[in-house]
Amino acid sequence: GAVVSQHPSWVICKSGTSVKIECRSLDFQATTMFWYRQFPKQSLMLMATSNEGSKATYEQGVEKDKFLINHASLTLSTLTVTSAHPEDSSFYICSANQGGNQPQHFGDGTRLSIL
Amino acid sequence: GEDVEQSLFLSVREGDSSVINCTYTDSSSTYLYWYKQEPGAGLQLLTYIFSNMDMKQDQRLTVLLNKKDKHLSLRIADTQTGDSAIYFCAETGNYGQNFVFGPGTRLSVLP
Repeated sequence: GAVVSQHPSWVICKSGTSVKIECRSLDFQATTMFWYRQFPKQSLMLMATSNEGSKATYEQGVEKDKFLINHASLTLSTLTVTSAHPEDSSFYICSANQGGNQPQHFGDGTRLSIL
Repeated sequence: GEDVEQSLFLSVREGDSSVINCTYTDSSSTYLYWYKQEPGAGLQLLTYIFSNMDMKQDQRLTVLLNKKDKHLSLRIADTQTGDSAIYFCAETGNYGQNFVFGPGTRLSVLP
């Protein structure tokens, strides 16, 4: 149980395009979803937290107009990297839980490469 | 703010036990977690412990919590090559308002 599916797993695109990453909880209702960014050989950096039906809460230094997060249902959240540039290349990971102190369950991550 | 620390590297021989240590600063931590990340993959929840417990065992995994010293450890018995990965310690305070990860410990298992 507690499976989180993230899609796509790898995307390569040209600078200036927008990229959407989906995060789905397959067998549970995700009250809260989290988006992380991970640089090579580093820990996870929390970008934003979203609750279903509410606006996402962004961490300090994360541009909300650059990284658009939508959490329209209890099983789906999307992260759109708008007008992506090479410095946005990274490994993006989502997670979801059923709120509160419940463990976070992670997707397999999306490797984003911007040329 | 809250902080979680781990040593960055650990090497052990196949068949030996591995002990990965973690310290944290948030005294209101309610749950503490261990996650495993294999190369190019997301994080896999290995186990977690409630702060009113001092030990939890699950097959080859043993978690020890010293709440007074704010020290958490993960022991992997009979370590195998498939255990090579990065192990993240994480904690959350009351109501899960903050979920803080450590930097990760890279475990290398030598044949």
